[in-house]
Amino acid sequence: DVKVTQSSRYLVKRTGEKVFLECVQDMDHENMFWYRQDPGLGLRLIYFSYDVKMKEKGDIPEGYSVSREKKERFSLILESASTNQTSMYLCASSLEGVNYGYTFGSGTRLTVV
Amino acid sequence: GQNIDQPTEMTATEGAIVQINCTYQTSGFNGLFWYQQHAGEAPTFLSYNVLDGLEEKGRFSSFLSRSKGYSYLLLKELQMKDSASYLCAVSFTGGGNKLTFGTGTQLKVEL
Repeated sequence: DVKVTQSSRYLVKRTGEKVFLECVQDMDHENMFWYRQDPGLGLRLIYFSYDVKMKEKGDIPEGYSVSREKKERFSLILESASTNQTSMYLCASSLEGVNYGYTFGSGTRLTVV
Repeated sequence: GQNIDQPTEMTATEGAIVQINCTYQTSGFNGLFWYQQHAGEAPTFLSYNVLDGLEEKGRFSSFLSRSKGYSYLLLKELQMKDSASYLCAVSFTGGGNKLTFGTGTQLKVEL
């Protein structure tokens, strides 16, 4: 069964900490995405990547960075966590080609205190 | 912006039919997806439309009118397990595989 795996289901971090959210896919997908999901706002794109070492800013990249050193792994980094980054973070991957939908990971619920 | 609009909440009765609408900006349209998301779970793919018309998949169908910037998801013979959030997502040209999501429609199926 094809999978997108996010390393943590729940995470609690303190304000100012550096936070790493990991995502691994086993489908050899070229594209990987990080979204955050908040009530009333839906899914908003933070960063995405079309290839190894490639990254593109999404709609809300401020306060975040990403790393894609290997095709299967896409990491989201919160350089200095803040309370307004408390959210559900969803990783997704897809094949190249607009008609391919996303496969999502189960999500990481991050709370910054 | 590339606003995608869908109703926030809907309620329907078990066994009935429900239609969830989605409107979007037509400029640069390149394809539309519907996803289902149960509470606390990841979204799962339901359907993809790029040409006008109706795509049917069992109890679920999705319709697209590109000229009107309009889509709907039709759920027939509703079951309690269909209670979920339904997300409309659009691909725009120049965005590659990037999808822009609506805020989702929370569907509650009642007895």
